[in-house]
Amino acid sequence: KNEVEQSPQNLTAQEGEFITINCSYSVGISALHWLQQHPGGGIVSLFMLSSGKKKHGRLIATINIQEKHSSLHITASHPRDSAVYICAVKPGHNDMRFGAGTRLTVKP
Amino acid sequence: GAGVSQSPSNKVTEKGKDVELRCDPISGHTALYWYRQSLGQGLEFLIYFQGNSAPDKSGLPSDRFSAERTGGSVSTLTIQRTQQEDSAVYLCASSLGLAGGAYNEQFFGPGTRLTVL
Repeated sequence: KNEVEQSPQNLTAQEGEFITINCSYSVGISALHWLQQHPGGGIVSLFMLSSGKKKHGRLIATINIQEKHSSLHITASHPRDSAVYICAVKPGHNDMRFGAGTRLTVKP
Repeated sequence: GAGVSQSPSNKVTEKGKDVELRCDPISGHTALYWYRQSLGQGLEFLIYFQGNSAPDKSGLPSDRFSAERTGGSVSTLTIQRTQQEDSAVYLCASSLGLAGGAYNEQFFGPGTRLTVL
């Protein structure tokens, strides 16, 4: 079993829909990251969380340390949100463990 | 104000050859990470540098892989005697490092796509 599990693996939505991507992990962590990888391959860090909730524009990330679970929400989704969203956890200060990613397609 | 840069962007090599991949981190970032993303696979941690400390090499898949970071800035990932399974996108990231503990955001480079024929 992977240490970081994401669901769903693939997600197709209509423009304007509210989207949720989930991440569960099985190791103790110091921080959790949500990354976005566009079709061209570039990776952008969206959020880094150690507790609670963060919001940036239409994106919201939450984490429940006790339940070892995080969610990434996208409100009013848009075709430009189409990308692979990756959850990554830091068990310590060094390495990162990555989920397999969720491929999101938002149709106009 | 440049971000993380990597070179080359693409590298095609023959099986058995050595390759060197370069990463220029953001100026002032003391932490530098190398990752690998194989086709259809998730990201995989390879190695981590923090300042002048000994690097964390725990993710390197074999002794054919090595990395250096000169002067606390530029890093080179070297793969000796390349194999077809080494084909992947190699990504570099940097962050402010220990100043922010584990909570520093990582900034990723565009990656080097390595193809071993």
